[in-house]
Amino acid sequence: GENVEQHPSTLSVQEGDSAVIKCTYSDSASNYFPWYKQELGKRPQLIIDIRSNVGEKKDQRIAVTLNKTAKHFSLHITETQPEDSAVYFCAATGYSTLTFGKGTMLLVSP
Amino acid sequence: NAGVMQNPRHLVRRRGQEARLRCSPMKGHSHVYWYRQLPEEGLKFMVYLQKENIIDESGMPKERFSAEFPKEGPSILRIQQVVRGDSAAYFCASSSGTGQTYEQYFGPGTRLTVT
Repeated sequence: GENVEQHPSTLSVQEGDSAVIKCTYSDSASNYFPWYKQELGKRPQLIIDIRSNVGEKKDQRIAVTLNKTAKHFSLHITETQPEDSAVYFCAATGYSTLTFGKGTMLLVSP
Repeated sequence: NAGVMQNPRHLVRRRGQEARLRCSPMKGHSHVYWYRQLPEEGLKFMVYLQKENIIDESGMPKERFSAEFPKEGPSILRIQQVVRGDSAAYFCASSSGTGQTYEQYFGPGTRLTVT
């Protein structure tokens, strides 16, 4: 089955800096890669996703890149703000069920 | 447009009791997924259902756990004879289809505590 590795497990940045979270996956059949943000005690919220037919997608301050050859994808957050502080999960799927990484706790200090 | 609903939000059970968790998908969604999240860990897939059918239960423990999604009403995750290790947050998600074109949206979760 699919295996998703996510790094780093924790990431501390100063407000205004950029943050990058990286994930690798094992199943070459995976073709959909969503990212979720989870604040403490809340539900995971879909923030951006990318499909295998594109290499990069951007939505305001967040962007995701995908390298299918290397089987890795990354989340980039620019101009970070304190409200970006949360746990971020990457995931991968080829058909229906999502396999999640273990999460990255992002802390943005004012 | 209501999102995914789950109830109860918090559930306390003594060891040996049964726990029933309910999930109502978003309007128009017919695919339901259950995930378990242990403290400071990621989400682990448990089961994927469509109306009246279990499509994939590869993540479900072999004993004590069952799930259903009847023709009418919410999806239910049932845990019999709960043990302390069952304490976790259980999230359901729904989608309007499968494959790379169908996003999954999560409910607020049920936090199960076994005493």
